[in-house]
Amino acid sequence: IAGITQAPTSQILAAGRRMTLRCTQDMRHNAMYWYRQDLGLGLRLIHYSNTAGTTGKGEVPDGYSVSRANTDDFPLTLASAVPPQTSVYFCASSYGQGNTGELFFGEGSRLTVL
Amino acid sequence: GDSVTQMEGPVTLSEEAFLTINCTYTATGYPSLFWYVQYPGEGLQLLLKATKADDKGSNKGFEATYRKETTSFHLEKGSVQVSDSAVYFCALGLANKFYFGSGTKLNVKP
Repeated sequence: IAGITQAPTSQILAAGRRMTLRCTQDMRHNAMYWYRQDLGLGLRLIHYSNTAGTTGKGEVPDGYSVSRANTDDFPLTLASAVPPQTSVYFCASSYGQGNTGELFFGEGSRLTVL
Repeated sequence: GDSVTQMEGPVTLSEEAFLTINCTYTATGYPSLFWYVQYPGEGLQLLLKATKADDKGSNKGFEATYRKETTSFHLEKGSVQVSDSAVYFCALGLANKFYFGSGTKLNVKP
């Protein structure tokens, strides 16, 4: 059972470099999400997608972009990484049943920007 | 806007002690409420949920009741175990978006 797969697990990146975090789910979920987790701030929504072909901005979208070309994949791109983007990034998905759907999370990608 | 506030940690308890982690929310509509648990080095897992007022979610001895009048969803467990040591997140779901509290770390000592 794969569920949600994120890659890479961990990455150290120089400031100014471009980085794409990959996320793939095999549950045929409609909705997918990217969160960042920072100590004392919990999880903050970066971008989301309710269905393939659509995306939306969350609480902290600046500096990040996403695409949803198909149901399974939802990559997150940092066009020019900056040190404040050092964080643990979690991809999640749900059936997309509005309020009630459970979120399923990946194992996380730890990104350090120097 | 929509948000969740939960008590700050860490919370340190002895095994078999009673646990309460407070959670209150602000929402523009009628959200579903969730508790997620994160064990070290892992992603979040759903612990329990409630989808409407007065619903009680329960799982693994944990319980939480959706209280609309107090906008609260406090997590309780009668007797904690060492294996319950983790970070607990309260969350609300509304219009396909999910908002999380800042997390409460629970340490249970033998």
